[in-house]
Amino acid sequence: AQSVTQPDIHITVSEGASLELRCNYSYGATPYLFWYVQSPGQGLQLLLKYFSGDTLVQGIKGFEAEFKRSQSSFNLRKPSVHWSDAAEYFCAVGSNSGYALNFGKGTSLLVTP
Amino acid sequence: DAGVIQSPRHEVTEMGQEVTLRCKPISGHNSLFWYRQTMMRGLELLIYFNNNVPIDDSGMPEDRFSAKMPNASFSTLKIQPSEPRDSAVYFCASSRRQVTGELFFGEGSRLTVL
Repeated sequence: AQSVTQPDIHITVSEGASLELRCNYSYGATPYLFWYVQSPGQGLQLLLKYFSGDTLVQGIKGFEAEFKRSQSSFNLRKPSVHWSDAAEYFCAVGSNSGYALNFGKGTSLLVTP
Repeated sequence: DAGVIQSPRHEVTEMGQEVTLRCKPISGHNSLFWYRQTMMRGLELLIYFNNNVPIDDSGMPEDRFSAKMPNASFSTLKIQPSEPRDSAVYFCASSRRQVTGELFFGEGSRLTVL
């Protein structure tokens, strides 16, 4: 079954610094990969997705992610973090045989002044 | 446009009581998902429906849990009897079936079972 691992439970970055959140997937075929963000007390919101094609995908709020098959990774990046980016970030994997997603455990991002 | 609407937002109940969580998906979405979120286990898929039909309920923890979708605009998740270990945030999400993975989540129902 497809699964994702997010190695970092917590990440702290300074406002204005760059950000990279790690995600590794396990899936035999080409996966459908997603990043979602959850603000406190809220549901999850889709940031970006990868199905096929260009391995660098752009999302909302200035985020991007790169699919690297050789490393089974789909890391999320942002060149300059804003205080409002503090939230929980989830990587997820799906497949074309179903529409449900399997989520990683999440990475909590703290942004310091 | 209205998003996914869940009720209640918070529920505190005693062990053994019946709990019913409700969800109204986004109009035009024909897939609906129930997830449970806890600190220990993260986000777990409980069940999902396509066109009101349950497709995969393998994530439902035990017979105490049941879910229904009587029509395209309403779903319920019921726990009977509830136990303290059921305490979690329960999310409902919907999507258009032809757009894989673009789930729209409600704000969740936080359940506390004493």
